[in-house]
Amino acid sequence: AQKVTQAQTEISVVEKEDVTLDCVYETRDTTYYLFWYKQPPSGELVFLIRRNSFDEQNEISGRYSWNFQKSTSSFNFTITASQVVDSAVYFCALRGARNYGQNFVFGPGTRLSVLP
Amino acid sequence: DADVTQTPRNRITKTGKRIMLECSQTKGHDRMYWYRQDPGLGLRLIYYSFDVKDINKGEISDGYSVSRQAQAKFSLSLESAIPNQTALYFCATSRTGNSPLHFGNGTRLTVT
Repeated sequence: AQKVTQAQTEISVVEKEDVTLDCVYETRDTTYYLFWYKQPPSGELVFLIRRNSFDEQNEISGRYSWNFQKSTSSFNFTITASQVVDSAVYFCALRGARNYGQNFVFGPGTRLSVLP
Repeated sequence: DADVTQTPRNRITKTGKRIMLECSQTKGHDRMYWYRQDPGLGLRLIYYSFDVKDINKGEISDGYSVSRQAQAKFSLSLESAIPNQTALYFCATSRTGNSPLHFGNGTRLTVT
């Protein structure tokens, strides 16, 4: 079975604070892919990053960074110097290399509110 | 710009009605998916299709059916709508099984 847990249901921060969104996953696959998506208030789902299980290098893209740790089955997302435009629901997702029929498994999402 | 388009954007219907949600894409992807989003549950897979002749049930297919009319078109039908099918529905495509999903803008369905 595959599962994604995002324990933080809602987070509020003040603009310019750093914030980390947690993602913990479960899979029996040795090859798998992890994703983050952003859903702003307008409702669309925006792809942010894909990481495969063989690449544990952390990634940075502007104010966004991702910390992948296989030892703790976590793929956490940090926003540095948050801005109001970062307010959104963020989803972590998992895709095992084998097709379980469920394809992508999504976490429940974390709602981030960045206050001015 | 390549796109995934869903129609309608919003729909209100009554219990027992049959309705269809449509999805078309210009990305040239073979793989298409229908997901349902409910608050606190993330996205759950309803059906997916890897080509025109391939249709597969997802996690929550009961009460739904799909049709893959062409590589670019994948429609979702609710045979007899019920209130607990009120949700936000997303169509998505992907180039391969492990490529990112590209989502449409969603259809907000309300069943009264």
